[in-house]
Amino acid sequence: DQQVKQNSPSLSVQEGRISILNCDYTNSMFDYFLWYKKYPAEGPTFLISISSIKDKNEDGRFTVFLNKSAKHLSLHIVPSQPGDSAVYFCALAGGTSYGKLTFGQGTILTVHP
Amino acid sequence: DTGVSQNPRHKITKRGQNVTFRCDPISEHNRLYWYRQTLGQGPEFLTYFQNEAQLEKSRLLSDRFSAERPKGSFSTLEIQRTEQGDSAMYLCAVHGGTSRSTGELFFGEGSRLTVL
Repeated sequence: DQQVKQNSPSLSVQEGRISILNCDYTNSMFDYFLWYKKYPAEGPTFLISISSIKDKNEDGRFTVFLNKSAKHLSLHIVPSQPGDSAVYFCALAGGTSYGKLTFGQGTILTVHP
Repeated sequence: DTGVSQNPRHKITKRGQNVTFRCDPISEHNRLYWYRQTLGQGPEFLTYFQNEAQLEKSRLLSDRFSAERPKGSFSTLEIQRTEQGDSAMYLCAVHGGTSRSTGELFFGEGSRLTVL
């Protein structure tokens, strides 16, 4: 029973173009929605988050969109840079402990120069 | 300053052996989390501590696994009688940012376990 799904295992984008990463979830109990980035041999690094009362949050080149009715979360990276190449995980938080995150399977983003 | 040190970074062991991982947060954090990440999957929650108290354990944490946080600072995760299915990256995390109510966690670099 997978509560969080990232249906695209990988995404390849040209430098300067937009990268769009998607995430779908099934449980409405979550209050915060986050994106993490992970490089090989490192732990995940927090990127950006959005609370359930908002539908958009922007931080520099990164924008997260939340569609609660569709239970869908997306991350837009504009413009994409080669250094953005990494694995991206969506993660959902809520309930009794906001550190108990439910992660998606991840999407490998490759940005070509 | 938020930071987490984990060691060893990589442990190779034979099936049936016991292994122990350690997590040292750089500064004081009331809550400390353990996650496990297997190949091709996202991190999965294992357990967390509020100071010395272990407040929640995942179903993933079988009776071969034990975690402690004796003084409310560092934490250890021990796996007894390791199995090949235990091969994974074990991640420790504390709350980052200014609030612990947003889900923002700061992860250590992880301890990779390979069971032969």
